[in-house]
Amino acid sequence: EDQVTQSPEALRLQEGESSSLNCSYTVSGLRGLFWYRQDPGKGPEFLFTLYSAGEEKEKERLKATLTKKESFLHITAPKPEDSATYLCAASNSGYALNFGKGTSLLVTP
Amino acid sequence: KAGVTQTPRYLIKTRGQQVTLSCSPISGHRSVSWYQQTPGQGLQFLFEYFSETQRNKGNFPGRFSGRQFSNSRSEMNVSTLELGDSALYLCASSKGDQDNEQFFGPGTRLTVL
Repeated sequence: EDQVTQSPEALRLQEGESSSLNCSYTVSGLRGLFWYRQDPGKGPEFLFTLYSAGEEKEKERLKATLTKKESFLHITAPKPEDSATYLCAASNSGYALNFGKGTSLLVTP
Repeated sequence: KAGVTQTPRYLIKTRGQQVTLSCSPISGHRSVSWYQQTPGQGLQFLFEYFSETQRNKGNFPGRFSGRQFSNSRSEMNVSTLELGDSALYLCASSKGDQDNEQFFGPGTRLTVL
């Protein structure tokens, strides 16, 4: 059965304290690994898509990487405005996203 | 470029009623997917439509249905509402190709009393 697991469930960082979020997946025939950010009461905001092991993408303080079994979202020198829930999703059919439960990130000043 | 819009944003219904939610995708996008988000289960895929055809369906009962119109707008319907249907219903649009980068709307918050 296809499964996406994110860890940790919650993470509290001091401003400027870099860290990584993990997304493990068991999906047959992975077509894409997606990262989203979700703020309370809002829909998920698209961040990155990764398609093959070894691929990396960056956006401001965020960098996403992909291996054959995991993806990492690295957050460098986070700011309080980076506080949100980060969601990882995997796609095999190309039409449905299988989401993890998310990591709730809190960055304190 | 306008994003995905969903109406209404909030709904309160009672058990046994039915509800229809609407989604307008990003201009030029032909695929619309629907997801249910709850604190316990997270985001779960309901179904996906492309050019008015359902291409994929998640593991939800038949009370959940949807359709897509020729202008790519989509509606989903839930009949015989149950308390457990209370959730945030999210619509996502994409071009519909295999890259499948999906962009989400703000959601409709459904409360069933």
